[in-house]
Formats: sequence, structure tokens, C-alpha cells
Amino acid sequence: AQSVTQLDSQVPVFEEAPVELRCNYSSSVSVYLFWYVQYPNQGLQLLLKYLSGSTLVKGINGFEAEFNKSQTSFHLRKPSVHISDTAEYFCAVGHNAGGTSYGKLTFGQGTILTVHP
Amino acid sequence: GAVVSQHPSWVICKSGTSVKIECRSLDFQATTMFWYRQFPKQSLMLMATSNEGSKATYEQGVEKDKFLINHASLTLSTLTVTSAHPEDSSFYICSAPLAGSYFYEQYFGPGTRLTVT
Repeated sequence: AQSVTQLDSQVPVFEEAPVELRCNYSSSVSVYLFWYVQYPNQGLQLLLKYLSGSTLVKGINGFEAEFNKSQTSFHLRKPSVHISDTAEYFCAVGHNAGGTSYGKLTFGQGTILTVHP
Repeated sequence: GAVVSQHPSWVICKSGTSVKIECRSLDFQATTMFWYRQFPKQSLMLMATSNEGSKATYEQGVEKDKFLINHASLTLSTLTVTSAHPEDSSFYICSAPLAGSYFYEQYFGPGTRLTVT
């Protein structure tokens, strides 16, 4: 069965510090990988995606992530965070198995990033 | 960019009544839409896949007679929670992929907060 694990449920950091939010997945087929951000009482906004090609992907708001196939990871990073980055972040995986699983995303449990002044 | 809207953004209803939630793709056509529910402080769980012109497919454990899905056009899917009970209170979010894109690249609506009293 496919699964997504976000290793940290909460990550507190100070403003302008670097941050890494970790995501590991398990899948027996090729995957597509996504990071979404959710602000309170709002839907999900796409931060970045890995579909194919370069394993280092850059997204909005200065975030980037690297797909590591051997470690089945897709960690999200930002070199310097702002107060406005405080939100919940979800890692999601699309398992390219075709059939009835086509298009379905599996989400991790979420990581709450809190940026302190 | 692709925009998905949901209506209403929040709704309060009495136990035993039915509630309809709309999901619209505003600037693109979506033959498929996905419905998720999110409990407080939890991740998104896929409920069902809505297919234009055909029956929805439901995830295991989701009651199809309770959560009625109708995909009436290429831009509209509706989720009706029938005979709602307090345990149905949740945040419901829809998503839609762009036709012709990687099908896993989905755009999410802002969500609908349902409270059943």
C-alpha cells in the first residue's frame, strides 16, 4: 500500500532561519510529488511539484524541494523564513499505477510550521 | 492560473437535513473532480472521484447513499450530504485536474466548513 509520512507534526523556527520539512513516501510504482500549504480555514495552495526531469524543484515564496528516489524522500526547504510562512504544509503523492488509482493523491499528516519573531 | 471555487464557504444545518456543496472550475473544464474531507488537525482524506456524465466512484468506507455526488457539467460537481448528523461536521474540499496536464496536478477549492447541530 502507498503511504506518505511527514516526520514532524510541528516545526517551530525563528524568523530568517532556514527550515526543512521532511516527507517520505512508499510506493511500488512511479510517483508524482507535491507540496501544498494551507492557511487556517482555507483550501490548499500548490507550493511546488515534481512530475519529471530535474530532481530539484523550485516553487513559490522561495521554497524548494528535492526528489530523492533512493531515499524515497521529497523534503521541503527554505533558506530564510518569514512570519507569513506560518501555516500547515502537506506533502502529497500521486501513484502512477493507472486504473482506479489514476489521479488520486495520498496526503501526509501535515506539518505545522510556526515562525517566531 | 486555474481556479476552483466552492459554495458555500461555510454552512450550519440541523441534524437530519441535507446540505449541497458546489465545486466549480472557473476557467477550465474538468471531466473529473475529487472530493476530500478534512477533520480538525488531520490530513485530507479522499472521499470520492466525480466523473462528468457517469457515476462517481467512492473510496472504501464512504457511504455513497449518504454522500451523493453529481457531476452535471464540465465545470460543476456537487456533493450532497444527506440526513446530516453531527459526525458529518467537517471541512470538505474539492479539487480538479487540468485536462491535458499531468492528471495528478490538481487545483483545490477553498473548502466548505460544514457544522451539523
